[in-house]
Amino acid sequence: SQQGEEDPQALSIQEGENATMNCSYKTSINNLQWYRQNSGRGLVHLILIRSNEREKHSGRLRVTLDTSKKSSSLLITASRAADTASYFCATANTDKLIFGTGTRLQVFP
Amino acid sequence: DTGVSQNPRHKITKRGQNVTFRCDPISEHNRLYWYRQTLGQGPEFLTYFQNEAQLEKSRLLSDRFSAERPKGSFSTLEIQRTEQGDSAMYLCASSQTGGSRGTQYFGPGTRLTVL
Repeated sequence: SQQGEEDPQALSIQEGENATMNCSYKTSINNLQWYRQNSGRGLVHLILIRSNEREKHSGRLRVTLDTSKKSSSLLITASRAADTASYFCATANTDKLIFGTGTRLQVFP
Repeated sequence: DTGVSQNPRHKITKRGQNVTFRCDPISEHNRLYWYRQTLGQGPEFLTYFQNEAQLEKSRLLSDRFSAERPKGSFSTLEIQRTEQGDSAMYLCASSQTGGSRGTQYFGPGTRLTVL
C-alpha cells in the first residue's frame, strides 16, 4: 500500500520556472527520500532528509520536512527540460521504503 | 562502481509460465530489496535481504513468488504460474546500511508482460 500522496499529481511549467511538489505521509518516519523516474526507467535518488532535519539543499533542489504535519516539499529551481520526469517521495520507518503516488513534471523549453 | 544491474530488462511470457529475474547489487552493499511498480503508481515493497537472510516479505508476495540471495551477492526473483496481474516493472535496490538510515540505489528494472 502507498504511504502517502504527492500533490499535485501533474505539473507543467516553462523552463526557468520553479517547480514545487508536496508529499504527505501517514506514519512516523526515520527519514524521507525523494526519487526521480524518467519514463519507464529506474529510480534515481535525489536527496534524503532525516526526521530531525527541517531543510536540506542539493544543487537546484531544496527539500523541507515538517514532521508535525507529516509533510515534505521538493523545490526545483530554474527548471530545465531535462527535469521532465516523475518525482516520488518515499518514507523509511523500518528498512523498507514506502512510496507515494508521484508527481509527473513536464518542463517545456 | 557499476551500480545495480537487472536482467533481463524486458520479459514477455504467456500466462501460466514461470519467469526468473536477476539482480546484481552494488558490490559492497549488504542489503538488497525487491519492489514492484505498476503503471501510474509508486513502487511497492516486496521483500528484502540482509546478506543471504530474507528478513521481511510483503503480503503482496504470494506463494507463487520466491526470492533468493544464496551467497549474499546477487538475488533472483521467481514467479511461478504467472498471471496477467503480475505484469509490472520489478525493481531491485541495494543499500550499504539499513534503509532507515541509508540511501537505496535502484536498478533499471525488469518489465514483465504476461499475455
